[in-house]
Amino acid sequence: AQSVTQLGSHVSVSEGALVLLRCNYSSSVPPYLFWYVQYPNQGLQLLLKYTTGATLVKGINGFEAEFKKSETSFHLTKPSAHMSDAAEYFCAVRGDNNNDMRFGAGTRLTVKP
Amino acid sequence: ETGVTQSPTHLIKTRGQQVTLRCSSQSGHNTVSWYQQALGQGPQFIFQYYREEENGRGNFPPRFSGLQFPNYSSELNVNALELDDSALYLCASSLEGTSGNTIYFGEGSWLTVV
Repeated sequence: AQSVTQLGSHVSVSEGALVLLRCNYSSSVPPYLFWYVQYPNQGLQLLLKYTTGATLVKGINGFEAEFKKSETSFHLTKPSAHMSDAAEYFCAVRGDNNNDMRFGAGTRLTVKP
Repeated sequence: ETGVTQSPTHLIKTRGQQVTLRCSSQSGHNTVSWYQQALGQGPQFIFQYYREEENGRGNFPPRFSGLQFPNYSSELNVNALELDDSALYLCASSLEGTSGNTIYFGEGSWLTVV
């Protein structure tokens, strides 16, 4: 079975600062890993995903994540935070032979002016 | 815009009633999954439908049931509503058979049970 743990339910950064949202996964099969963003009262929007190949994945809105198998991590980063990045971020894992996606509890990102 | 549409967007039901939520999948997608997202939590997998058959189920009781139609649209039915069923219900579509296929979510249906 797969699972993810997001470290930190709330992260606050200043505008222009580095954003780092942490995600560790557990999987008995090679994982597919995803980051989704959810703005208030909206559904989930895909930021990026890792399937196979290059371990550094670039997504939308300047976000990227690196798959580190040795650390079972898939942390999300952005060099410079914008006010518009304030939202809830979810890390998720799915196995190739699984038909469901397991989400973390989410990390709420606040961006201070 | 993911191409996944859900209806209704908001609804209020009374405990013990039944509710049906609807979802139209993205064009070309043959698989629909449903998730429940309680306030302040991550989405929880309810079940998935592939070619009109249930293709996996999470830890939800039988009063949560679903259908998928030949056009791949789907319904989620919940009987005997309980207060804890109040949540955002998310529909997601994908194309099975594609390695690492992405799941695209709709905007969700907000259900309040009073």
